[in-house]
Amino acid sequence: DAGVTQSPTHLIKTRGQQVTLRCSPKSGHDTVSWYQQALGQGPQFIFQYYEEEERQRGNFPDRFSGHQYPNYSSELNVNALLLGDSALYLCASSPGDSPTDTQYFGPGTRLTVL
Amino acid sequence: GDSVTQMEGPVTLSEEAFLTINCTYTATGYPSLFWYVQYPGEGLQLLLKATKADDKGSNKGFEATYRKETTSFHLEKGSVQVSDSAVYFCALKGNTGFQKLVFGTGTRLLVSP
Repeated sequence: DAGVTQSPTHLIKTRGQQVTLRCSPKSGHDTVSWYQQALGQGPQFIFQYYEEEERQRGNFPDRFSGHQYPNYSSELNVNALLLGDSALYLCASSPGDSPTDTQYFGPGTRLTVL
Repeated sequence: GDSVTQMEGPVTLSEEAFLTINCTYTATGYPSLFWYVQYPGEGLQLLLKATKADDKGSNKGFEATYRKETTSFHLEKGSVQVSDSAVYFCALKGNTGFQKLVFGTGTRLLVSP
């Protein structure tokens, strides 16, 4: 059973550009969450998708947007990139929305903005 | 809002030493509590979890007990190995609203032979 997969592994962009990151959830999982992890920090919640809709959003600007497809895979889009957007972006999937459900993380996409 | 506080690192130990990493939380109601581990250059792996007060989560020799009275979830291991060197994150998931994880800042563990 494949775990959570993310692509690409690494990405280098320049300020002002746009980027799309992709995530495939673990088999049987329908809920996808995205987190940003700056160097030396804990992950910060960006948003969560369920049934193709954004269900909850953290404290991130509208430059960060997402999408979930019918097969539950998801994309994170960031527009007008800033230097401060450089981070590891983590996708996590879970089988539902119960408080006790575990979120399983992918390996992440390392984004560097120059 | 919900928050998690972890002891600052790095924690430096010799192999076979006893490990404690402190974690306390602030949350409404009865959150679920998690420990995740991150090895260099990798994503997060679930280490253990506890979903109600007095539950003990355990995995690979690591243990943590959900203490409601002290709002704590300290991570312990009786004998660490060099391979345990990693960053450890304590996290909570509230039991109201939608289920985002709230993480602490992480504690780096360095184990020397």
